[in-house]
Amino acid sequence: NAGVTQTPKFRILKIGQSMTLQCTQDMNHNYMYWYRQDPGMGLKLIYYSVGAGITDKGEVPNGYNVSRSTTEDFPLRLELAAPSQTSVYFCASRLPDTEAFFGQGTRLTVV
Amino acid sequence: GEDVEQSLFLSVREGDSSVINCTYTDSSSTYLYWYKQEPGAGLQLLTYIFSNMDMKQDQRLTVLLNKKDKHLSLRIADTQTGDSAIYFCAEISCRVTGGGNKLTFGTGTQLKVEL
Repeated sequence: NAGVTQTPKFRILKIGQSMTLQCTQDMNHNYMYWYRQDPGMGLKLIYYSVGAGITDKGEVPNGYNVSRSTTEDFPLRLELAAPSQTSVYFCASRLPDTEAFFGQGTRLTVV
Repeated sequence: GEDVEQSLFLSVREGDSSVINCTYTDSSSTYLYWYKQEPGAGLQLLTYIFSNMDMKQDQRLTVLLNKKDKHLSLRIADTQTGDSAIYFCAEISCRVTGGGNKLTFGTGTQLKVEL
């Protein structure tokens, strides 16, 4: 198993550009999550999904969109990038009542 | 509310014990977790405790849970320089409506181990 795979690892965007952060897991996990971690800060939940076709907002969803068309994939979309979205983004997945497994993160800089 | 709170910093000497504390607010949480994040890396699960337990020991790690006070702690015995990292507690909200199955993290505690 590859676990949770995030791509890209690094990206620099210009203000107003859009991009999709990819997350895929091969563990057949129901639940998937997107977090952002700002420098020196904890993790803030952006969106999460309890299964294919179902998504819910977390604490900081503004400026982002997600979709969950398959169990494996949970892409995060930024439509109009802003400097405030400069952060490290982590994707995680888990089964019910088990620990979450994390990807290695995507470091995004918006200039 | 669903805030999970931790103190931001802890500094200990090598060989001493470290105790990292966490308070949470969601009484419906069934599992509580401790994760470790080393610089520039993702999060790795250290240990977890089920909500019907008071204590769990795993080698140098001891987790204590006080459900009445919604307080969780992680004790690291014989702390080593390799233990320097950020430690996050996390809870799973299991409410049926509104926020069910959310995995919420604390603010993280930066542990610094000095020689």
